[in-house]
Amino acid sequence: QSVLTQPPSASGTPGQRVTISCSGSSSNIGSNDLYWYQQLPGTAPKLLMYSNNQRPSGVPDRFSGSKSGTSASLAISGLRSEDEADYYCAAWDGSLSGRGWVFGGGTKLTVL
Amino acid sequence: QVQLVQSGAEVKKPGASVKVSCKASGYPFTSYYMHWVRQAPGQGLEWMGIINVSGGTTTYAQKLQGRVTMTRDTSTSTVYMELSSLRSEDTAVYYCARPLYGGNGLDLHYWGQGTLVTVSS
Repeated sequence: QSVLTQPPSASGTPGQRVTISCSGSSSNIGSNDLYWYQQLPGTAPKLLMYSNNQRPSGVPDRFSGSKSGTSASLAISGLRSEDEADYYCAAWDGSLSGRGWVFGGGTKLTVL
Repeated sequence: QVQLVQSGAEVKKPGASVKVSCKASGYPFTSYYMHWVRQAPGQGLEWMGIINVSGGTTTYAQKLQGRVTMTRDTSTSTVYMELSSLRSEDTAVYYCARPLYGGNGLDLHYWGQGTLVTVSS
């Protein structure tokens, strides 16, 4: 069971806006930056968002990130077929039971 | 351009150790941390640890403490991840990954191609 909780699946039609949530606690999301990754089948993960809402060069502005309290979300607008992938959130967890970086369990996005 | 090239696939027996290498090029090697992340078949991502390539200090995931060792060789711009006392649950693709910026954050913009480690009797 992951420290960060994501819905296992999400879906949308081309052109639609979809959001993927990531829920944590005060020891991770509540006090540290949030990161998002996209992983296409059979490939290494790709950094989509860092420092909650910053996009690396090359990531379309259709992708946006937000954080509030102990939850965060990734929004994808103008959904495209190539957005079909697994999405992971991640944050530093400073809890006494195990300090380290933690990932969410991942959300499989299907473009219908 | 930044490149991280990992060593090839490994098959190991339970109880054995494996050492995966990650050769970096295209940037000042000692200016960036390196993380290791693994992914079991059909599963999610798991952070394993980080090495300060400049000083060699490490931080490991608590779950792997005592079994994982990360080192680096600055003469060859290579980082290594060794995992001992292998179990079937360690079967996974292992990635090295470098942050976009020069800190120890998880802004992992550059990834190796992955190394499949299979643990089987």
